[in-house]
Amino acid sequence: QVQLQESGPGLVKPSETLSLTCTVSGGPLSSNYWNWIRQSQGKGLEWIGYINYSGNTIQNPSLKSRVTLSIDTSKNQFYLKLTSVTAADTAIYFCARESGYIGSNGRFDYWGQGALVTVSS
Amino acid sequence: DIHLTQSPSSLSASIGDRVTIACQASQGISQHLNWYQQKAGKAPNLLIYDVSNLEAGVPSRFSGSGSGTDFTFTISSLQPEDVATYYCQQYDNLPLTFGGGTKVEIK
Repeated sequence: QVQLQESGPGLVKPSETLSLTCTVSGGPLSSNYWNWIRQSQGKGLEWIGYINYSGNTIQNPSLKSRVTLSIDTSKNQFYLKLTSVTAADTAIYFCARESGYIGSNGRFDYWGQGALVTVSS
Repeated sequence: DIHLTQSPSSLSASIGDRVTIACQASQGISQHLNWYQQKAGKAPNLLIYDVSNLEAGVPSRFSGSGSGTDFTFTISSLQPEDVATYYCQQYDNLPLTFGGGTKVEIK
């Protein structure tokens, strides 16, 4: 059974960088596409972007200039960095797996439990 | 970006009722639509993919239909455990987008 778990600071100061790790167990990162999605009261569910096992990434254009996605298949982890955060970035951040093995199929079959990140001084 | 409009935003129904949720896309998305259930404090859970295909282990009272821009999600007989918020999600175009959600409660 595949499991995902987000980890990282729950509080980030405005203008600083939000950093989260997603640790995957029960299956290798060497297949599938790995996503970050966030959920806030104001914007609902918002897709941030994905990375695959080769390190290829696609980000939501609304966040692209501030988002860095990376992956470490040896640790079975992938990562999110979001720079220059503001209060609008306060949200629950989920990592999620796409079910496709060959390419991106937009179907999120496994999710982490979510990590609440608050941006405040 | 493709905008997904869900209606209603919330509903209250009795146990055993048939519940229907609509999802309208701002442009045609073929069959590239999924539905998720999110219970309070939990992550979304995939129920239906590609408009009408039931994810493994999902009860058959859940179903989906539609194509192009108009889609429907149905619970044929509402159960107490179905209290949740339901979201549609398109993957026809990047960025992937979600509908605003429909909160389902028991009357």
